[in-house]
Amino acid sequence: GESVGLHLPTLSVQEGDNSIINCAYSNSASDYFIWYKQESGKGPQFIIDIRSNMDKRQGQRVTVLLNKTVKHLSLQIAATQPGDSAVYFCAEEANQAGTALIFGKGTTLSVSS
Amino acid sequence: NAGVTQTPKFRILKIGQSMTLQCTQDMNHNYMYWYRQDPGMGLKLIYYSVGAGITDKGEVPNGYNVSRSTTEDFPLRLELAAPSQTSVYFCASSYQTGTSGSGNEQFFGPGTRLTVL
Repeated sequence: GESVGLHLPTLSVQEGDNSIINCAYSNSASDYFIWYKQESGKGPQFIIDIRSNMDKRQGQRVTVLLNKTVKHLSLQIAATQPGDSAVYFCAEEANQAGTALIFGKGTTLSVSS
Repeated sequence: NAGVTQTPKFRILKIGQSMTLQCTQDMNHNYMYWYRQDPGMGLKLIYYSVGAGITDKGEVPNGYNVSRSTTEDFPLRLELAAPSQTSVYFCASSYQTGTSGSGNEQFFGPGTRLTVL
């Protein structure tokens, strides 16, 4: 079965709100996680990553939180904009050799103005 | 840099036909990957390569073959197309040192939308 999943398939927010997208993973040995954004008709685009020796990492308008105790990952987007509308995937490093990623199903974020 | 490029963008095949999906990257990445994405789903790994001459199976390799004769190119071959292979195919590349936890972001191509009728 899937190792990585997302709590909600869709999330609708108003422009300017903060968005929180959640992800649960099951492999406690995973030590690298990435959030990707996928716009319609395009390939996934890297947003931010985090390693297991960290519990928080910030980028431009985005923050990723990692809670290893409950195996939970979240992506926070500040001041959400219409251009943030997309499908968001979390992914975890699949094996100990540092190779492929396992992707969750995705959360569709819709931002209305 | 062009990044990761894929051809063709779209293709319709008849059952039993064969085709090769092309993927090229110009970032000198050692690792390359092929994923498929079914509607409303995440990406599933088909095959990956850690360097020229080395390939390995991913989660869903059946019905596909790959080769990696150069660092830049990683073609995906479908020998006998089946309706179950209707999907969007993404190629990706990354630079990896190969140790656990050292993962780096994968860069994705724009995808090839394949329909098998």
